[in-house]
Amino acid sequence: QSVLTQPPSVSGAPGQRVTISCTGSSSNIGAGYDIHWYRHLPGTAPKLLIYGNTNRPSGVPDRFTGSKSDTSASLAITGLQAEDEADYYCQSYDNGLSGYVFGTGTRVTVL
Amino acid sequence: EVQLVESGGGLIRPGGSLRLSCAASGFTVSSSYFIWVRQAPGKGLEWVSVLYSGASTYYPDSVKGRFTISRDNSKNTLDLQMNSLRADDTALYYCARLRSGWYSDAFDIWGRGTMVTVSS
Repeated sequence: QSVLTQPPSVSGAPGQRVTISCTGSSSNIGAGYDIHWYRHLPGTAPKLLIYGNTNRPSGVPDRFTGSKSDTSASLAITGLQAEDEADYYCQSYDNGLSGYVFGTGTRVTVL
Repeated sequence: EVQLVESGGGLIRPGGSLRLSCAASGFTVSSSYFIWVRQAPGKGLEWVSVLYSGASTYYPDSVKGRFTISRDNSKNTLDLQMNSLRADDTALYYCARLRSGWYSDAFDIWGRGTMVTVSS
């Protein structure tokens, strides 16, 4: 079951900024575990976008920015492009479940 | 190129067994930690097993006692043995590599997945 809650969808025009929230609890984000973000297009391998709350792997453009506060986190995409259309998932660790947790997923649509 | 490629999925009857494999290239499985994650049709991502150093493994309650994760260093593969399969095990199964040796780190390399369908 998903214990990290995300909005089902967000949309924006090309060039705009969108944000995706990820709400957790005291046993995951609030316990100090890092948040990571992935982009996923059906039929392809998920891609790591942000690790350790704010860090971008090599090759990920700085249009993608992660942040974390208390029991929630956010992913911001600036300068929205058509290629950004995909599903986005947050992920962390939960000490109550003693395992990994993923967000419910957010579909980003470029208008 | 560093990549993971899953195989072994297919159609299986309830109660049956299936073994998935995840072939690594560009790095050695012996020095890495791995996870299997699944996505049921229309659903989100769910972890089903993790393999840390040596043979240290963990599973969620939904698959505990039925699934076994292991690595084959000679073949440079990660495997998932799935027994007593149920209809709710139907999903696209992904393998992924933990970015570092820290258990709460991110998964930096993912495969494209292999589909498992459990149906009579």
